[in-house]
Amino acid sequence: AQSVTQLDSQVPVFEEAPVELRCNYSSSVSVYLFWYVQYPNQGLQLLLKYLSGSTLVKGINGFEAEFNKSQTSFHLRKPSVHISDTAEYFCAVSDQGGKLIFGQGTELSVKP
Amino acid sequence: GAGVSQSPSNKVTEKGKDVELRCDPISGHTALYWYRQRLGQGLEFLIYFQGNSAPDKSGLPSDRFSAERTGESVSTLTIQRTQQEDSAVYLCASSLGSGFSGNTIYFGEGSWLTVV
Repeated sequence: AQSVTQLDSQVPVFEEAPVELRCNYSSSVSVYLFWYVQYPNQGLQLLLKYLSGSTLVKGINGFEAEFNKSQTSFHLRKPSVHISDTAEYFCAVSDQGGKLIFGQGTELSVKP
Repeated sequence: GAGVSQSPSNKVTEKGKDVELRCDPISGHTALYWYRQRLGQGLEFLIYFQGNSAPDKSGLPSDRFSAERTGESVSTLTIQRTQQEDSAVYLCASSLGSGFSGNTIYFGEGSWLTVV
């Protein structure tokens, strides 16, 4: 069965600094991988997804993620964060049954 | 455009009462999902519909929880004899096909349930 581990529950960072949110998955089959963002008091919004092809995926708001099959990772990065990026970020993998399996989430806190 | 719509947005209920949570998926979306998010925790899968059949209801935590869907439209999640541990945000999502096909899954804003 697939599972997702987000290695950091909280990541504090200063504005304009780079950030990496880590995600590892376990699966015995090919997977599709997703990052969602949840802003305070809002629903989940898709940031980006990896289906196939280039292992570097670009998403909205300047975020990108790299699929690394050998390390079973899908880390999310942004070279320079803004205050408005403060949110909860969820990594997810699709399972063969069709649903998404989510990690526990990483709270990104951007400070001025 | 119309997204996934959930109602009520907030519900406070007494322990032991039954509650119904409603989800209107995006028009044309055949797949519908229910997830639960407890405070400070990740998303816990409850049930998945393809059309009006439920190929995966493995996440329903007990027989107090049930869900149904009318055709490829509205879904209702029912919690009977609510307990305090049922307090959470219940999120509904929909997609054109299954997530395993790489389809984007769109989420509603959730129904916040508080059991007192």
